[in-house]
Amino acid sequence: EPEVTQTPSHQVTQMGQEVILRCVPISNHLYFYWYRQILGQKVEFLVSFYNNEISEKSEIFDDQFSVERPDGSNFTLKIRSTKLEDSAMYFCASSDQGAAETQYFGPGTRLLVL
Amino acid sequence: RKEVEQDPGPFNVPEGATVAFNCTYSNSASQSFFWYRQDCRKEPKLLMSVYSSGNEDGRFTAQLNRASQYISLLIRDSKLSDSATYLCVVDMNYGGSQGNLIFGKGTKLSVKP
Repeated sequence: EPEVTQTPSHQVTQMGQEVILRCVPISNHLYFYWYRQILGQKVEFLVSFYNNEISEKSEIFDDQFSVERPDGSNFTLKIRSTKLEDSAMYFCASSDQGAAETQYFGPGTRLLVL
Repeated sequence: RKEVEQDPGPFNVPEGATVAFNCTYSNSASQSFFWYRQDCRKEPKLLMSVYSSGNEDGRFTAQLNRASQYISLLIRDSKLSDSATYLCVVDMNYGGSQGNLIFGKGTKLSVKP
């Protein structure tokens, strides 16, 4: 069964450093998402991406965040200058038809900012 | 603010028990509803979509009441492997939404032998 993959599984970084989280969505999917989950809290939407541009973004997704699809397979989330409160699990998801269709989640990247 | 509310639990039940989860959502324009399960420190995985007419998948039954903005999940004959956190999920759906999901905090279920 096809699946979403994410790398790295864990990342530790110093406050103020840039991090890039990588995702490979399911190959025939067209809609891509990033979510985050702070430990003990609910999953929160960050951004959706379709047709090589951001479709929607939440209040969390400020100027420190950016997304990119650099090639036909990868989908990345960059945090330019990490803050302590960015520590969370970051999930990538993809779906083949967007709204109302099942989103498949990757295993997540656990980011710890020190 | 568009929210999804769930009883946080935990629900501790013996094997074979029937357990029900409830959820309310605030955005009356939402069109898509789901139950996901999340194991500890893992990603959410779709359990089932929820349709207006109600739907069943083996031991799992989901119901939707649009008038009350209420969603339920019933698990019959619970198994040890059902132990997880159950997430009520609703699409954001405001003009042109591409399927961005709002998650409840989840209800933790622990099935004991």
